[in-house]
Amino acid sequence: AQKVTQAQTEISVVEKEDVTLDCVYETRDTTYYLFWYKQPPSGELVFLIRRNSFDEQNEISGRYSWNFQKSTSSFNFTITASQVVDSAVYFCAGGDSWGKLQFGAGTQVVVTP
Amino acid sequence: DSGVTQTPKHLITATGQRVTLRCSPRSGDLSVYWYQQSLDQGLQFLIQYYNGEERAKGNILERFSAQQFPDLHSELNLSSLELGDSALYFCASSERTGGGETQYFGPGTRLLVL
Repeated sequence: AQKVTQAQTEISVVEKEDVTLDCVYETRDTTYYLFWYKQPPSGELVFLIRRNSFDEQNEISGRYSWNFQKSTSSFNFTITASQVVDSAVYFCAGGDSWGKLQFGAGTQVVVTP
Repeated sequence: DSGVTQTPKHLITATGQRVTLRCSPRSGDLSVYWYQQSLDQGLQFLIQYYNGEERAKGNILERFSAQQFPDLHSELNLSSLELGDSALYFCASSERTGGGETQYFGPGTRLLVL
């Protein structure tokens, strides 16, 4: 069975600070997929990024970057120069070969002006 | 806007009743997934359909059932409702099936059972 751990319950930052969200995904599968989703106060779930387990290259997209390390099962996500609109709950999720997503408990990010 | 639509947006009903939640996937997507989000259980996968057929099942109660129709829209039926069924129900869709597919979520249906 898969397990997704987001140890941080809430992170509070001041605008323009960087925010790093931690995620640990444990599975026996050799091939799996990792995702980050954002849930703003309005409630919808917004897809942010996806990573395959066989690709450990770190990437940057705009203000978002992510760091995947297979050896430690960690899939961390960073928001650079945070803005008030980044305030939301961020979920890490792992997908098995069938496509079923297992979500972490979420991390509440609060960005104050 | 993800392109996934869900109706109704809000639903208030009483214990013991039955409700139907509806989902229309993004244009071209063949897979539909249902998730439940509650305060105590978090986000949980319920069931997946691909091109009309059930593909995977998660923590879905026997009182709940779903189907995907030929036009690819899906319905989630919840019966003999209990207070604990109050939650946000999400539908998601993806182009195909399999782990590498990105799932795009609808806005959700907020169900309140009184």
